[in-house]
Amino acid sequence: GAGVSQSPSNKVTEKGKDVELRCDPISGHTALYWYRQSLGQGLEFLIYFQGNSAPDKSGLPSDRFSAERTGGSVSTLTIQRTQQEDSAVYLCASSLGLAGGGEQFFGPGTRLTVL
Amino acid sequence: AQTVTQSQPEMSVQEAETVTLSCTYDTSESNYYLFWYKQPPSRQMILVIRQEAYKQQNATENRFSVNFQKAAKSFSLKISDSQLGDTAMYFCAFRLASGTYKYIFGTGTRLKVLA
Repeated sequence: GAGVSQSPSNKVTEKGKDVELRCDPISGHTALYWYRQSLGQGLEFLIYFQGNSAPDKSGLPSDRFSAERTGGSVSTLTIQRTQQEDSAVYLCASSLGLAGGGEQFFGPGTRLTVL
Repeated sequence: AQTVTQSQPEMSVQEAETVTLSCTYDTSESNYYLFWYKQPPSRQMILVIRQEAYKQQNATENRFSVNFQKAAKSFSLKISDSQLGDTAMYFCAFRLASGTYKYIFGTGTRLKVLA
């Protein structure tokens, strides 16, 4: 596609359930980032990938959060045993590479609501 | 650890006027990048302007320019000839040039352009 896509656009789940959020980066982009944006807040870094490797996952809030990337393309962010405080918009961004401070291209986000 | 601070939660400006958004950051590193991102009400973030720390010249992109003061660790965004389409959340962001490539975002400034 022309841009970064994320699915689903909205997800409502019950506390304790697991959820998977998907990100399709721009073709050819080797770097991929996940962020969390709570209501009225800035972006909180979660993890980034270079290819299929995650050099920095320091932003993952707990061991309930995990992410993977396969084939240097699609990435999935998984939240296990969801809690109400996980409710937020989860944004994905990709960039051509990491060197040179290249532009990040953001997806539209997945709005997660945990009841 | 790096931090980014945006001290103006909300601002407004009359159409065609000029407005300046403030951003300060803290780092002990000398090589890094600074960014301003715009998030319109539709939610998709886009890059407005980027500055390399090793460049003394302030970056400009059409009506958008920055005032980068490295010693003061200040990075303000000036929007000239404000347009209704400039209404958005504006986020300042920081990223090191080496080591970890995670981005640190400020909490944002909500800018409203008034007709």
